[in-house]
Amino acid sequence: GESVGLHLPTLSVQEGDNSIINCAYSNSASDYFIWYKQESGKGPQFIIDIRSNMDKRQGQRVTVLLNKTVKHLSLQIAATQPGDSAVYFCAENSWANAGGTSYGKLTFGQGTILTVHP
Amino acid sequence: NAGVTQTPKFQVLKTGQSMTLQCAQDMNHNSMYWYRQDPGMGLRLIYYSASEGTTDKGEVPNGYNVSRLNKREFSLRLESAAPSQTSVYFCASSETFTGNTIYFGEGSWLTVV
Repeated sequence: GESVGLHLPTLSVQEGDNSIINCAYSNSASDYFIWYKQESGKGPQFIIDIRSNMDKRQGQRVTVLLNKTVKHLSLQIAATQPGDSAVYFCAENSWANAGGTSYGKLTFGQGTILTVHP
Repeated sequence: NAGVTQTPKFQVLKTGQSMTLQCAQDMNHNSMYWYRQDPGMGLRLIYYSASEGTTDKGEVPNGYNVSRLNKREFSLRLESAAPSQTSVYFCASSETFTGNTIYFGEGSWLTVV
């Protein structure tokens, strides 16, 4: 069955270090992946996305890598700051059918808690 | 930019009471969603509205009803609240229902006693 999981539930880093958060997915048909950041008491916030025809995508201080061979997704945060402390979710989009209509189905992972120490 | 706005932020209900969570988005998105988030369970889809005028069940629809009032607004109703519905509820929207990024509201904390 399809699932999205994370290798590490918690990650602690020092301010200024680079952080890497990993995600494994099982649905090889998934064609779109998203990373979200969720701070305490707030809703998930979009960070970066990548489509399955890409291996890497860079944003501001963040890079997402996609390895379709081993069905692995990672989020790299450069020069991690205390404000980066949050729960990070990966999500995968696969296609489902309902009543003859195809629609994108987003499946979320459990999340990794990132703690950045000053 | 307000994005996705949901109310109330916090609510305590007694078992059997009813209530409606309101949600509005100002991004002119076609699709809207209601999720619940529980510890260890991640985000689970309750109901969605792929476009104005349509609503469909998600992964955990039992005990809930929804109304897509217009393109901007999508409400979630608990007709007879149960303790198992104690959760954090998130409304979300996306441009279309075809693999686009979903944008979330700030959440509504609901406790059923």
